Amino acid sequence: EVQLVESGGGLVQPGRSLTLSCGASGFTFDDYAMHWVRQAPGKGLEWISGISWNSGRIGYADFVKGRFTISRDNAKNSLYLQINRLRVEDTALYFCTKDNYSTLVTNPRRTMDVWGQGTTVTVSS
Amino acid sequence: QTVVTQEPSLTVSPGGTVTLTCASSTGAVTSDYYPGWFQQKPGQAPRALIYSTTNKHSWTPARFSGSLLGGKAALTLSGVQPEDEAEYYCLLYYGGAQLVFGGGTKLTVL
Repeated sequence: EVQLVESGGGLVQPGRSLTLSCGASGFTFDDYAMHWVRQAPGKGLEWISGISWNSGRIGYADFVKGRFTISRDNAKNSLYLQINRLRVEDTALYFCTKDNYSTLVTNPRRTMDVWGQGTTVTVSS
Repeated sequence: QTVVTQEPSLTVSPGGTVTLTCASSTGAVTSDYYPGWFQQKPGQAPRALIYSTTNKHSWTPARFSGSLLGGKAALTLSGVQPEDEAEYYCLLYYGGAQLVFGGGTKLTVL
């Protein structure tokens, strides 16, 4: 069964840092690009970042402004998102998603075809 | 900053047909934006329905179809079922490494 399981969320004070993890199983992890998407309470989906199969190409949403860092460890079938200088507005459910292509280029196969259940980050003092 | 706009809400009767649209602040949406559509029900993770404008996943019901309509991406549901009540999001690709979701359309089946 293809599966993504996020972890690492929790209650964090503003200004602190946090690293989210996503464990993948059921598919060849290093064949595909991966993404992080978040959803604030009662709000819509927001793409945060994507990373190609070999970490050679990375993209970030405009709002990231250097506070987020995406990475992956193919030997561990794992994806990560480090968030620095956390803000109250970073409070959200963070999803890990699988791309249907290997890298971040325009390609008709591109989609997010597998989603985890998410991990909740709450930023509050 | 690029903004992708969807109808905030739509209502459709069971068995009816409804079209949701997705517009880009940069101009007309074409197939080069590889539009995708996702369905999200309360308390669940989103599920992919359509990719690259018109392509369905193996799990996508036949009543869902994607297209381009008047400079926008479109998702049409024909023969709407009660279980189609959900939030629907479009996704556009800007050059491969920049992705933007629309604000979502809340579809009510009434």
